[in-house]
Amino acid sequence: AQSVTQPDIHITVSEGASLELRCNYSYGATPYLFWYVQSPGQGLQLLLKYFSGDTLVQGIKGFEAEFKRSQSSFNLRKPSVHWSDAAEYFCAVGAQGAGGTSYGKLTFGQGTILTVHP
Amino acid sequence: DGGITQSPKYLFRKEGQNVTLSCEQNLNHDAMYWYRQDPGQGLRLIYYSQIVNDFQKGDIAEGYSVSREKKESFPLTVTSAQKNPTAFYLCASSIETTGPRRSGVRETQYFGPGTRLLVL
Repeated sequence: AQSVTQPDIHITVSEGASLELRCNYSYGATPYLFWYVQSPGQGLQLLLKYFSGDTLVQGIKGFEAEFKRSQSSFNLRKPSVHWSDAAEYFCAVGAQGAGGTSYGKLTFGQGTILTVHP
Repeated sequence: DGGITQSPKYLFRKEGQNVTLSCEQNLNHDAMYWYRQDPGQGLRLIYYSQIVNDFQKGDIAEGYSVSREKKESFPLTVTSAQKNPTAFYLCASSIETTGPRRSGVRETQYFGPGTRLLVL
């Protein structure tokens, strides 16, 4: 079974600083990976996803993530953080089940809370 | 507007009462999901359904029940057997797409705004 680790429970950065949120996964085959963002009391919004191909993935709101197979990582980055980026961020890994379907095979990390100081 | 709606936004349950959370989607997605979110525990899968009239248990199905009579709707009932129901409940729907160069089929899940269930 696959698993996801987000090593940082809480990260604080200053507005305008760069950001990197870490995500490590465990899966025997080639995974497919997601980053979601959640504002307090809201649902999850998809930031970006990696299915295959180019290992550097661009997402919405100026975010990008890089898939590194050798390190089993899919870290999320943003060059300059805005106060509105303060939220909780979730990394997720998907797998392919029997028969080729992927339904029901998404595993989420525990989340990283981002605080942005003015 | 296409999307996923959940109602109500807040729900209060009395001791011994069953309550039902609504989830509707107009995205024409085949699969729908229910997750429970508790602080510091991420998302845990309760039930999911790949197709109408069929559903599977997730990791924490005990004390919950679902139905999938229509493609657009996947209501979740929190029964009196669920002893610790206070949580944030998220509904999601998904579509599978085939990736390039035989990379296989992958699903992308999209989430509703959530329902917060509180016990009186």
